Amino acid sequence: EAHLVQSGAEVRKPGESVKISCKGFGDSFAASWIAWVRQKPGKGLEWMGIILPGRSDVRYSPSFQGQVTISADKSISTAYLHLGLKAPDTAIYYCATLFGTLWSHFDSWGQGTLVTVSS
Amino acid sequence: DIQLTQSPSSLSASVGDRVTITCRASQDIGSSLAWYQQSAGKAPKLLLSTASTLESGGPSTFSASASGTDYTLTISSLQPEDFATYYCQQYYSIPYTFGQGTKLEIK
Repeated sequence: EAHLVQSGAEVRKPGESVKISCKGFGDSFAASWIAWVRQKPGKGLEWMGIILPGRSDVRYSPSFQGQVTISADKSISTAYLHLGLKAPDTAIYYCATLFGTLWSHFDSWGQGTLVTVSS
Repeated sequence: DIQLTQSPSSLSASVGDRVTITCRASQDIGSSLAWYQQSAGKAPKLLLSTASTLESGGPSTFSASASGTDYTLTISSLQPEDFATYYCQQYYSIPYTFGQGTKLEIK
């Protein structure tokens, strides 16, 4: 089971962007699907997209397509989520690994990164 | 997209109670369903996958079952650490989707 450590909290203004990171510790990071999940304050979980670092294979939720960019640098076992921000984007963003194939559950989660968007 | 409808959205119970949470899928997803527990201020944690398989090291008081497109999470005897929010999630097709969550509170 991978151990994931995310970057720290960020504060941005509407119209700005932010890139948050998720570093994996463990074997086979490049061969592990890494997902991003959003949680707005007091709300539920929303799947945003997923990447396989070894092939840079990226899939996006239609709800987030065009609004976020997911990337990875397998040489440093790190995945990234780049967001262009609006006020409603204040949320905690989690990364998580899939257990094996693309059609599998999330078996390990990062601690979350709080992004606050405020003018 | 596959919709998952969880019920109830909130539930009050006491330590030692037996509780059941239901998740209904909008179409057939086979056994491609997982349950997660999220304690306040924490990341979600996997409880069960493939509809009913308990995660290694998971409490034996948790179980799950499936019937058609209805999935059920049961906690046989609530412990203080079980008061949290629970989510179901399907991984049958992309986009993956979650239920809206069930908040379990102490009565």
